[in-house]
Amino acid sequence: AQSVTQLDSHVSVSEGTPVLLRCNYSSSYSPSLFWYVQHPNKGLQLLLKYTSAATLVKGINGFEAEFKKSETSFHLTKPSAHMSDAAEYFCVVSDPDGGGFKTIFGAGTRLFVKA
Amino acid sequence: DVKVTQSSRYLVKRTGEKVFLECVQDMDHENMFWYRQDPGLGLRLIYFSYDVKMKEKGDIPEGYSVSREKKERFSLILESASTNQTSMYLCASSPPRQLARSLFFGEGSRLTVL
Repeated sequence: AQSVTQLDSHVSVSEGTPVLLRCNYSSSYSPSLFWYVQHPNKGLQLLLKYTSAATLVKGINGFEAEFKKSETSFHLTKPSAHMSDAAEYFCVVSDPDGGGFKTIFGAGTRLFVKA
Repeated sequence: DVKVTQSSRYLVKRTGEKVFLECVQDMDHENMFWYRQDPGLGLRLIYFSYDVKMKEKGDIPEGYSVSREKKERFSLILESASTNQTSMYLCASSPPRQLARSLFFGEGSRLTVL
């Protein structure tokens, strides 16, 4: 069975400081993992995805995430936060081998960026 | 640019009304999805479709139905709206089954049922 846990419902950082959004997953298969971002009153946009290639994945807008199988984690990081990064972020696990569409969304982490 | 368009951004309906939410994608994707988004619960899958006239129940199909008569259009129907269906509804599409299939989302339809 799959599950995904975003460890923080809210994260607050100052502009120019690093961002860390934490995600742990559980999967019976070799998972595909994603991070999506949702700005206010908008749909979700793909930030990055892990597909069993390189464990360090680079995405858009300077974000990256590292797949750590031993820790079952896929944390999202950015070296320096920008005001425009304020949004909600969703960690997603997907079963690439299942016959259906087994995609599980985390509950989301809202990122606040202070000037 | 790829696009998923949800026709209504904001709707207010009364209990018992029939509600249609429309979604159109211009990417020629086979797969289309309807999700419901509620604070603290993330996104939950209502229904999905992998081909015209095909549909599959997701995790929370009760109280909803769907229609897919054309490849580009996927409609969500609330036969008799209830207050607990007040939510944000998100439509998404994706290409055929592949490793790490990404979802492309519309901007959402916020429904309030009074």
